[in-house]
Amino acid sequence: GENVEQHPSTLSVQEGDSAVIKCTYSDSASNYFPWYKQELGKGPQLIIDIRSNVGEKKDQRIAVTLNKTAKHFSLHITETQPEDSAVYFCAAISGGSYIPTFGRGTSLIVHP
Amino acid sequence: ETGVTQSPTHLIKTRGQQVTLRCSSQSGHNTVSWYQQALGQGPQFIFQYYREEENGRGNFPPRFSGLQFPNYSSELNVNALELDDSALYLCASTQGTSGGQETQYFGPGTRLLVL
Repeated sequence: GENVEQHPSTLSVQEGDSAVIKCTYSDSASNYFPWYKQELGKGPQLIIDIRSNVGEKKDQRIAVTLNKTAKHFSLHITETQPEDSAVYFCAAISGGSYIPTFGRGTSLIVHP
Repeated sequence: ETGVTQSPTHLIKTRGQQVTLRCSSQSGHNTVSWYQQALGQGPQFIFQYYREEENGRGNFPPRFSGLQFPNYSSELNVNALELDDSALYLCASTQGTSGGQETQYFGPGTRLLVL
């Protein structure tokens, strides 16, 4: 089955810095890669996603890149703000499936 | 807010007991998925229901079962609770059958502690 590795497990940055979270996946059939933000006491919320026919996608301060050859994808957050502090999860889903495999999460701490 | 609610928010049970967790999906969302999230881990897929039928299952034993109702509510039942069942249980709803590849709207979860 699919295996998703996520790094780092904890990321601490100063307000205004950029943050990068990286994930690798094992199943070459995976073709959909969503990213979720989970705040304390809440369920995960989709923040951005990318499909395998696209190499990069951007939404304001958030961007995701995908390297299909290397089987890795990354989340980039620019101009971080304290409200970006949360746990971020990547996930991978195979084209023939609807079952997402999640990474173990990255706790992002943005210091004011 | 995602429009997905779950009850109860917290629950304490003892080993061997049975538990029922509830989820209310967004109106019009025909698919609901349930996940188990252990502390410090990502969510793990338990199963998915589409129009009241189980539509797929992850690596969970049969003592994990579910129901989906016509009014967009659903249940997760766990029998013979084990200590390792302690986790946050999440439900997520989507409109169609390709739940994994559509935007999933998660509820806030039910925190289950098994003693």
